[in-house]
Amino acid sequence: AQSVSQHNHHVILSEAASLELGCNYSYGGTVNLFWYVQYPGQHLQLLLKYFSGDPLVKGIKGFEAEFIKSKFSFNLRKPSVQWSDTAEYFCAVKGGTGGYQKVTFGIGTKLQVIP
Amino acid sequence: NAGVTQTPKFQVLKTGQSMTLQCAQDMNHEYMSWYRQDPGMGLRLIHYSVGAGITDQGEVPNGYNVSRSTTEDFPLRLLSAAPSQTSVYFCASRDLTQNSPLHFGNGTRLTVT
Repeated sequence: AQSVSQHNHHVILSEAASLELGCNYSYGGTVNLFWYVQYPGQHLQLLLKYFSGDPLVKGIKGFEAEFIKSKFSFNLRKPSVQWSDTAEYFCAVKGGTGGYQKVTFGIGTKLQVIP
Repeated sequence: NAGVTQTPKFQVLKTGQSMTLQCAQDMNHEYMSWYRQDPGMGLRLIHYSVGAGITDQGEVPNGYNVSRSTTEDFPLRLLSAAPSQTSVYFCASRDLTQNSPLHFGNGTRLTVT
């Protein structure tokens, strides 16, 4: 069974600091990986996704993530955070290459950016 | 575009009551699913469906029923509500192509007293 582990549950940063949120997954085969963001009081929105090709994926709002297959990791990064990045971030994995597979989420990381 | 629509937004139930959470999508997505979100536990899959007439269980299906009579609708039924079902429920859909992400509704906040 697939699973996702997010290491940082609550992160507090000052504006302009750099961000890296850890995500590790377990699945033996080909995976599709996602990062979603949930702003306070809102639903989850897709930040970026990886399916194949270049392991460095760029998403919206200056976020990027790097897929490292040997480490089963898909860490999220942003060089300089803004107050508006305050939100909860979820890593997710879909095992296999077909469209029928379920998506499993990590427990989330709450990011608080202090002005 | 409406996307994924969930109703109601808020609901309070007494233990033992039943209710149905509604979910509808207008994107012609084959795949639909229900998650519950609890503090410190992320999103856990309750049930999912890959097309009309096809449903399957997720990680936490006990106490919930689903049906999929049309492509657009995927209601979630609580048969006899329990305090442990107090949560925020999200419906999400996607098409069945390989690289399709989930599209989420705005959620239903359910409290069972």
